[in-house]
Amino acid sequence: DAKTTQPPSMDCAEGRAANLPCNHSTISGNEYVYWYRQIHSQGPQYIIHGLKNNETNEMASLIITEDRKSSTLILPHATLRDTAVYYCIVRFTHGSGNTGKLIFGQGTTLQVKP
Amino acid sequence: GAGVSQSPRYKVAKRGQDVALRCDPISGHVSLFWYQQALGQGPEFLTYFQNEAQLDKSGLPSDRFFAERPEGSVSTLKIQRTQQEDSAVYLCASSRSGQFNQPQHFGDGTRLSIL
Repeated sequence: DAKTTQPPSMDCAEGRAANLPCNHSTISGNEYVYWYRQIHSQGPQYIIHGLKNNETNEMASLIITEDRKSSTLILPHATLRDTAVYYCIVRFTHGSGNTGKLIFGQGTTLQVKP
Repeated sequence: GAGVSQSPRYKVAKRGQDVALRCDPISGHVSLFWYQQALGQGPEFLTYFQNEAQLDKSGLPSDRFFAERPEGSVSTLKIQRTQQEDSAVYLCASSRSGQFNQPQHFGDGTRLSIL
């Protein structure tokens, strides 16, 4: 079972920031938070990941709360091409019998509207 | 650069036929994963390779499913005696190493339809 909870759907106006929340209250100290998105008929696309600190790359920013029980993915200026299903995933940081497989939940369907 | 390539993009087979799905990972990537995605659901893990070694096949739904990666690069997922419930998108992903801070990069999948 997925270890994250996300709202099933969200809308965002084009040009505005999209803030996608994720709850992972049972996360352990040795688990990363990963975000992927999946545009219709394509494979999942890696966006960003983090462990404790906030992270930013050319696609998005990831804000992780201090207790690590929740996080927010921020798309600073959403475009119509950002319409997709967004998945928040927790993933172990190392082996010890773990293979690093990703466990996807239902994700959040983000609809960017003109 | 080239990403993960999967072929065929679409496959239609009659129930009972065998099918083979191919994955070409990003060059030099050590880890390779297969996932199955049913309509309207998130992808579900099937199996994992590190180089040519299949280290986890816990997600394969039955013994009709078989995967191999004999030379540590290209991988093939084979489904024998296909059933209608095997209809899904089969996704392949690769990552640079076995380190879990390395993201997995996905292909666009093979859409399998069993008639």
